[in-house]
Order: sequence, then structure tokens, then C-alpha cells
Amino acid sequence: QSVLTQPPSVSGAPGQRVTISCTGSSSNIGAGYGVHWYQHLPGTAPKLLIYGNNNRPSGVPDRFSGSKSGTSASLAITGLQAGDEADYCCQSYDYSLRAWVFGGGTKLTVL
Amino acid sequence: EVQVVESGGGLIHPGGSLRLSCAASGFTVGTDYMSWVRQAPGKGLEWVSSIYSGGSTYYADSVKGRFTISRDNSKNTVYLQMNSLRVEDTAVYYCARGRFWGGSMGYFDFWGQGTLVTVSS
Repeated sequence: QSVLTQPPSVSGAPGQRVTISCTGSSSNIGAGYGVHWYQHLPGTAPKLLIYGNNNRPSGVPDRFSGSKSGTSASLAITGLQAGDEADYCCQSYDYSLRAWVFGGGTKLTVL
Repeated sequence: EVQVVESGGGLIHPGGSLRLSCAASGFTVGTDYMSWVRQAPGKGLEWVSSIYSGGSTYYADSVKGRFTISRDNSKNTVYLQMNSLRVEDTAVYYCARGRFWGGSMGYFDFWGQGTLVTVSS
């Protein structure tokens, strides 16, 4: 059971927009800790997509965006491409657990 | 180019020990912090341990007292000594560079491809 809750899967057609939610609590996201997002393909290194709720590292397309409100956050992907098929995972810090915490991951399927 | 490469994984019996290595290039492991994150089969990512630039170390409750993180600045390498291994420690172990954000614990900006640890009799 992951501390941050994500839907197991989402899907969309090429060109469409999808969002992935990440729900936490008052001891992590709600406490003001940043939410960060990773793209992960099996057998490869996870890739940082969004840091600090809504910041993109250099090289990440602006099709990817993040937002945060209260104890939840969302990752939005616009203009879906076949190459976007991957697992997406959110991450924050929990002061009660004194641990970096992750969501269980969401598998994105491009139809 | 920033890169981290893990090694040292393998098949080990329950109760055994293993040491993972994480060789870094393009940056020094003494900046911000370095961490180990694992992913068990069919599960999500789980933070395991971190070592700060000042040497402070932190562990997930699931590994506290069994795992030890350390760093050799001269080799620009981070280690994870894993003792008293359990079947539930089976996972791909990733090494990642951590960055602070907002004056507090932050995120992991560069990851290795991982090394598989299988604990089985």
C-alpha cells in the first residue's frame, strides 16, 4: 500500500490530454512538501518529469505540466504521443514517516 | 554528462549479505544527497536510504538496522551494505542523486538503471 494514491491506469488517444492524480495527506503533500513526477519504463532508469509541483527540468517538453492543491496533485500530458506510454509516479516527503514517499504508479496507455 | 551506474546485485539466500555500489560521474556524490530506491516485482517505488553531504544517514523503517549506506568520496561511489536479507527485499535497487527543494527534502534528478537483488532459498 503506497502512501500516495494514484489510479492504476489511464488511457487516451494520440493528440488527446490526460491527467494523472496523486492523493496524499496532511503529513506529506498537505504539509507543503513538493510533489515530483517521474516517467518510468520497465528496465530503464526513472526520468524526472516535474519537480517542485510544476517545474520542468531542461529537456522535458511543455506538453507535461504539474499542479498541486491541498493534499493532492496532478500531472497533465497534452498532445499524447505513442512514445508517452510508460508508468508515471508521483513522489513527496512525509514528515510523520520521516521518509520520501511514492505513489504506486500509473500506467499510461496510448490507444 | 551526469551518470550513475549500480552494480553488485545477484541471487542471495535469506539471511545473507550483499553490497551494492553506485558509481557516479559528471558530479560529486558529496553534493546534496544520494539515495537508494527500490522496486519490488509488481510494486511501486520505495525509498530505502539516503546519505547527506554532511554524512548524515537515513533509512526506511523496513531496512533500519539491517542496511547501511556509505560513501567514498575518493572513488565518487556510494554503497549500500545489506545484511540479514529477507525474501521481501527482492527488488530492483536504483541509485539516485537527490536535490533539496523549498529548503527541505526534495526529489531525485538522476537515476541509474538499477541492479536486481533476488533473495530466495
